[in-house]
Amino acid sequence: GAGVSQSPSNKVTEKGKDVELRCDPISGHTALYWYRQSLGQGLEFLIYFQGNSAPDKSGLPSDRFSAERTGGSVSTLTIQRTQQEDSAVYLCASIPQVWTQGEQFFGPGTRLTVL
Amino acid sequence: QQQVKQSPQSLIVQKGGISIINCAYENTAFDYFPWYQQFPGKGPALLIAIRPDVSEKKEGRFTISFNKSAKQFSLHIMDSQPGDSATYFCAASRGVQGAQKLVFGQGTRLTINP
Repeated sequence: GAGVSQSPSNKVTEKGKDVELRCDPISGHTALYWYRQSLGQGLEFLIYFQGNSAPDKSGLPSDRFSAERTGGSVSTLTIQRTQQEDSAVYLCASIPQVWTQGEQFFGPGTRLTVL
Repeated sequence: QQQVKQSPQSLIVQKGGISIINCAYENTAFDYFPWYQQFPGKGPALLIAIRPDVSEKKEGRFTISFNKSAKQFSLHIMDSQPGDSATYFCAASRGVQGAQKLVFGQGTRLTINP
């Protein structure tokens, strides 16, 4: 079956522009997570969704970051007025339910470069 | 505050040797400890995981050793192969109470020399 997909795979933008990153989770997975992987760093949690609601946005680094999920499926992470420190790989993961402890299935990520 | 600390940052091992990566955690509420393997250009993939009620788990050449009192766990790769060259991340989560959010270590870049 299809895994988690993300688009675009690479995004180069200029400082101050807005960007949208897309995640398509595994079909039927109701919980979806966004993580950020900065160069030489581990992954840091940004936000998660259970269905279309986002109970925990605590990892979003600033109010320039927002995310939404529609139809319990595709999620979009939006970064407004991008800064150079936003350059990173943004990873999405999904699991069947938020109470399912076990493997999180990751997409290949979107590499964002802010010039 | 770094809740999961991983070492070393990089590791070079000869083919056939044993690779050992260590992690330490702070939050005693963590109840799930996975290791993820990541190849360049790919997302991380689960390698092996352990819960704190056991001290060791083995799957093929990969073993997790868990020391609850010391709040430490480690990954051992036996008979390391060049195909094992990747970045390895330890992680921890608090289960349902933590909404399965993973807290990751900083990663270890493992190189296996042929």
